[in-house]
Amino acid sequence: SQKIEQNSEALNIQEGKTATLTCNYTNYSPAYLQWYRQDPGRGPVFLLLIRENEKEKRKERLKVTFDTTLKQSLFHITASQPADSATYLCALARASNTGKLIFGQGTTLQVKP
Amino acid sequence: DADVTQTPRNRITKTGKRIMLECSQTKGHDRMYWYRQDPGLGLRLIYYSFDVKDINKGEISDGYSVSRQAQAKFSLSLESAIPNQTALYFCATSDPGLSGNIQYFGAGTRLSVL
Repeated sequence: SQKIEQNSEALNIQEGKTATLTCNYTNYSPAYLQWYRQDPGRGPVFLLLIRENEKEKRKERLKVTFDTTLKQSLFHITASQPADSATYLCALARASNTGKLIFGQGTTLQVKP
Repeated sequence: DADVTQTPRNRITKTGKRIMLECSQTKGHDRMYWYRQDPGLGLRLIYYSFDVKDINKGEISDGYSVSRQAQAKFSLSLESAIPNQTALYFCATSDPGLSGNIQYFGAGTRLSVL
């Protein structure tokens, strides 16, 4: 069966450091992968999308990589700030654009001042 | 005002009761979705609709039903609520004209079934 795994343990880092979150998947060939941010008591908010033929995508302090051979995406936040503390979800979708996304369970990031 | 609005934000009900969660959107998107979120399990798709006449089951539709009253409104019903339906419920929309199926979520409804 299709499976998406994110590190269930919270990631604690010091302000100013780079945070790296991992999303691994099995039994799936996604056309694209998305990352969302979720704050407590709120719905997920879209951050970045990367396609299967793209190796890397950047947006301000955010960087996403996509390795279809390793079946893995890495999400980096450089120069992290306490305001970056949240849960980050990865989601996969097929090329058929059925509209359906499969979400990972999320990783909680805590940035300490 | 929020683009995707869910009501109520919190609801406590008893086993066996019928309840409805409502979602309305001002984004003009045709596609709408209902998810539930449980600790450690992530978001799971309950139902989705690509337009008013198109309703599809997701991976966990048993015990739920939906109604797409208009392009802007998509309701989720629990016909006879049970305790294991206690969860955080999210409505989302997307625009098929944009590649990647980016989804826009409401703030969620926290449901407790006693």
